[in-house]
Amino acid sequence: QKEVEQNSGPLSVPEGAIASLNCTYSDRGSQSFFWYRQYSGKSPELIMSIYSNGDKEDGRFTAQLNKASQYVSLLIRDSQPSDSATYLCAFRGGATNKLIFGTGTLLAVQP
Amino acid sequence: NAGVMQNPRHLVRRRGQEARLRCSPMKGHSHVYWYRQLPEEGLKFMVYLQKENIIDESGMPKERFSAEFPKEGPSILRIQQVVRGDSAAYFCASSPAPTGEAFFGQGTRLTVV
Repeated sequence: QKEVEQNSGPLSVPEGAIASLNCTYSDRGSQSFFWYRQYSGKSPELIMSIYSNGDKEDGRFTAQLNKASQYVSLLIRDSQPSDSATYLCAFRGGATNKLIFGTGTLLAVQP
Repeated sequence: NAGVMQNPRHLVRRRGQEARLRCSPMKGHSHVYWYRQLPEEGLKFMVYLQKENIIDESGMPKERFSAEFPKEGPSILRIQQVVRGDSAAYFCASSPAPTGEAFFGQGTRLTVV
């Protein structure tokens, strides 16, 4: 079982729609979860962190965490073409709390 | 407040040469992580360092690769006797604590010819 699983996509949504990105993780002991955005040829950029079960909202972004199901998601409301990028799920896991990444989901927002 | 600084941004090496990649963490950050990314692939963890200590090197190849984070100066990822398969983007991230958010530098694109 992979440590972090994400659907590689591409996930295509029309402009203005809600984009839903999902991630499952294997380490039940993990307490810290993150979403990064990476544009092609650029470095990852942190967009959300979440540490407690439930929802966390920041502008058009909402992160959702369910530790019992080992599931974390990211909702992007009113999607814009500029949101088109690869979204990477990450968590701190293992004995050393290293930061582990999924392979990412490619999001394409169609104008 | 300067972000994570990596240099060089682009590095070309011939097969058999050594590559040295440098990473200066954000001010106040003492935890550094190195990742390798091949085109169209995810970020592969290589090594996690704290000042003067290697915390986790479970992702580092056993040969030719080494990393350090001295008391003074940047973290260095060193690749000896490079081969074509080492061509990739190498990213460094830093965090102030072992449990919180980490921020990335711009990366070093290594090309081995």
